[in-house]
Amino acid sequence: DADVTQTPRNRITKTGKRIMLECSQTKGHDRMYWYRQDPGLGLRLIYYSFDVKDINKGEISDGYSVSRQAQAKFSLSLESAIPNQTALYFCATSETGYNEQFFGPGTRLTVL
Amino acid sequence: DAKTTQPPSMDCAEGRAANLPCNHSTISGNEYVYWYRQIHSQGPQYIIHGLKNNETNEMASLIITEDRKSSTLILPHATLRDTAVYYCIVRAYDSGGGADGLTFGKGTHLIIQP
Repeated sequence: DADVTQTPRNRITKTGKRIMLECSQTKGHDRMYWYRQDPGLGLRLIYYSFDVKDINKGEISDGYSVSRQAQAKFSLSLESAIPNQTALYFCATSETGYNEQFFGPGTRLTVL
Repeated sequence: DAKTTQPPSMDCAEGRAANLPCNHSTISGNEYVYWYRQIHSQGPQYIIHGLKNNETNEMASLIITEDRKSSTLILPHATLRDTAVYYCIVRAYDSGGGADGLTFGKGTHLIIQP
């Protein structure tokens, strides 16, 4: 079984809809991250969390919110989706800020 | 601002060593060099990292110049499955006070030719 899972894997939604992307991990890591990738570009950090009570904005947090329900679960929400949020979204975990990050398989989101 | 510069694409013959360069001329003394790769649109995969000494693991070797302004990732015997985008990333060691994630550039698209 995969250590980092994301649901859904693909999602098509309409402008203005609220949508939640979910991430779960079985690695026991405290640190979790949400990234976004646009075609032909590298990943950009949206939010990151050190633990359940510590959540921080990344480079491109506008239009997004997150919830850390438990050590193992970190959700990303788009309150009112817009077409330029169409992208590939990745969740990642790490044991510390120094250690490698483990990425999930990604969620492909299309906003019409 | 990009901290690293990589060629946009490279080719390598299957079975040969693939040498991927990365320039990081503004690297600070407390910054490590990390390499990740992304196959198709899968989640990135960690390869290796180092500070100033050369490093080797089961996947690759990392050669960092003495002045630390550039590095080379070496895949010793490239296979078709090594075709991917390779990202060179510099980031400071985190002693626990912060974790600002990874800053990805556009990377190098390595194509292994049969």
